[in-house]
Parts: sequence; structure tokens; C-alpha cells
Amino acid sequence: ETGVTQTPRHLVMGMTNKKSLKCEQHLGHNAMYWYKQSAKKPLELMFVYSLEERVENNSVPSRFSPECPNSSHLFLHLHTLQPEDSALYLCASSQDWDRGVFRETQYFGPGTRLLVL
Amino acid sequence: AQKVTQAQTEISVVEKEDVTLDCVYETRDTTYYLFWYKQPPSGELVFLIRRNSFDEQNEISGRYSWNFQKSTSSFNFTITASQVVDSAVYFCALSEAENTDKLIFGTGTRLQVFP
Repeated sequence: ETGVTQTPRHLVMGMTNKKSLKCEQHLGHNAMYWYKQSAKKPLELMFVYSLEERVENNSVPSRFSPECPNSSHLFLHLHTLQPEDSALYLCASSQDWDRGVFRETQYFGPGTRLLVL
Repeated sequence: AQKVTQAQTEISVVEKEDVTLDCVYETRDTTYYLFWYKQPPSGELVFLIRRNSFDEQNEISGRYSWNFQKSTSSFNFTITASQVVDSAVYFCALSEAENTDKLIFGTGTRLQVFP
């Protein structure tokens, strides 16, 4: 496997379900990101992890819960979502120099297309 | 405030035509980075180019070229002799030296290349 992979690629869930999105990067990077892409809106940064520590949380509702167990893996745990949370969720990774002083180019995975019914 | 504007929502061309995608940005930082990404129907964002604010040299990579003009805060992208495989949504993005993890994206331009 190369680059950034995400599973599942498609997910349909009810509002009472609990599910998790998984991201894995094979690039040797140490920073990982979650983005949300909704129709007709710019990509929104949700979370940033650098060296497995969360460094940014852009006012994301608590029904989204990230987890970064190591520098290669990132999860997004979902519970009691709303229909408006239906979107494409993209994971990215980059190389972080000096704890966020400078980050290299972000490389993206293929995304998980989520539909909340 | 930082902002990226891609005024062209959708462009349609016929194969072999040249096409330019516009990108205008706003930032107060003197050091910043500009990017173009391609998003084909499969969904993943494919990195195309990164430019830093100190390097105004235009760049060419095969059929792709980029024109960076600080005077007009623009970073336009031209595809020469377009092909059907170029059909995708193209995003321009900006990050500032003060906050390099924050990529500010434009709303994207959907390019359709017809045979």
C-alpha cells in the first residue's frame, strides 16, 4: 500500500449508530488531518494531530471524536450523527518540522463518503 | 483575513483546447504557500503543485503550467491541449507561515473536457 488509505470508502448509518472511519498513511509522515467536504462548501479542516497530539480542533461537535494511536493511523469515531453530517471525509498527512513551526505539503486519501439517514 | 477565490464554478472545453483556471488569494502574511489540487470523480485530492511566496517564477510540468503574480495576488493554472482525463474539480489553496497546518481552500472549479 502506498500513500494515504481510508476505510471504508462508503458508509451509510442511522442517527443512533456508532461507527469509525480509519485512515492510514504509508509516507512516514508525523502529522495527520481530518477534513469534511460538503456539497457547495469549501473543505473544512476538522482536526490536526502532530506527533500523535491533537494540535487543532476547529469547533467540531463532540459527536465527532478523533483518535491518533500512532503517527501512521488516525480514526474518526462517529456517534449520534445528524443528516447534515453527510459528506465526504478526507484524511491527509504531512511532515511536521519542529512541532508545527513548518509543515510540508499535505497528501490526501481517497475519502469516506458518509450518508446519515 | 485569509481567503481563496475561484470565481469559475464550472468550465467546459473540448479536447485539445487550452484552459486557464483562475485563483485569487488574500493574506496579510508576507510568507505563504499556494497549492493546486485535483479531485477526480473518485474523490481523492491529488497534489499538483506548491509555491512559496518568495518564488514568483512560473512553472511548467508537461501540459500544466502555473502563473504566479504577487502584484495581482493570483496563482492561475493553465492546462494546454486538454484531455478527457483532465476532467475533475480543481482546488486552489493557501497556507500561511504563521499557521502552516491550516490549508484554506477555494470552492473549486469543475472542469469538464469533452471528446
